[in-house]
Amino acid sequence: DQQVKQNSPSLSVQEGRISILNCDYTNSMFDYFLWYKKYPAEGPTFLISISSIKDKNEDGRFTVFLNKSAKHLSLHIVPSQPGDSAVYFCAAKLFSGNTGKLIFGQGTTLQVKP
Amino acid sequence: SAVISQKPSRDICQRGTSLTIQCQVDSQVTMMFWYRQQPGQSLTLIATANQGSEATYESGFVIDKFPISRPNLTFSTLTVSNMSPEDSSIYLCSVTGIGDTQYFGPGTRLTVL
Repeated sequence: DQQVKQNSPSLSVQEGRISILNCDYTNSMFDYFLWYKKYPAEGPTFLISISSIKDKNEDGRFTVFLNKSAKHLSLHIVPSQPGDSAVYFCAAKLFSGNTGKLIFGQGTTLQVKP
Repeated sequence: SAVISQKPSRDICQRGTSLTIQCQVDSQVTMMFWYRQQPGQSLTLIATANQGSEATYESGFVIDKFPISRPNLTFSTLTVSNMSPEDSSIYLCSVTGIGDTQYFGPGTRLTVL
């Protein structure tokens, strides 16, 4: 049972435009969500997170939106840059500060074209 | 964020052998985690390692196959035992930082022939 889903395996956008990466989840008990970026041969790099008590969190070019009723979150990157080309994973966590276990989506490969 | 290093960064091993992966953190942490990313797949938690206690394994992972040590608050090892080609993966350790954010090491890319 895939509790966290990223239904788009890949996304291609033009440099300077907006990239929108989507993530759906099934477990309403998730209370913390994170986005990671991963380059080949490297570990995941933390990008941005959001608590379930919020619906938006912004950090520079990255904004995460959470729609709890739809069990959906999205990561917006504006403006997109070629260096943003990587695999993006969303992850969800149960009961913040408890077990620490993260459940990951399958990832979306973003390609930003110059 | 914590600085995490892993050794080795990559290895090619023969089936039936074992490999021990080391994870070093630059600060003391209570919980350390070991994840696996199989080719083309997402990251899956193998086990949680707390200092001074037995590791807690996720469903589908057993101690005999993936023994873990956690001798102190900055170090942990994961052993992949009696390897088969299906164990070819990237193995990652991670720690929890400020709040609920989890940070990952660079990973160990394992290929089993």
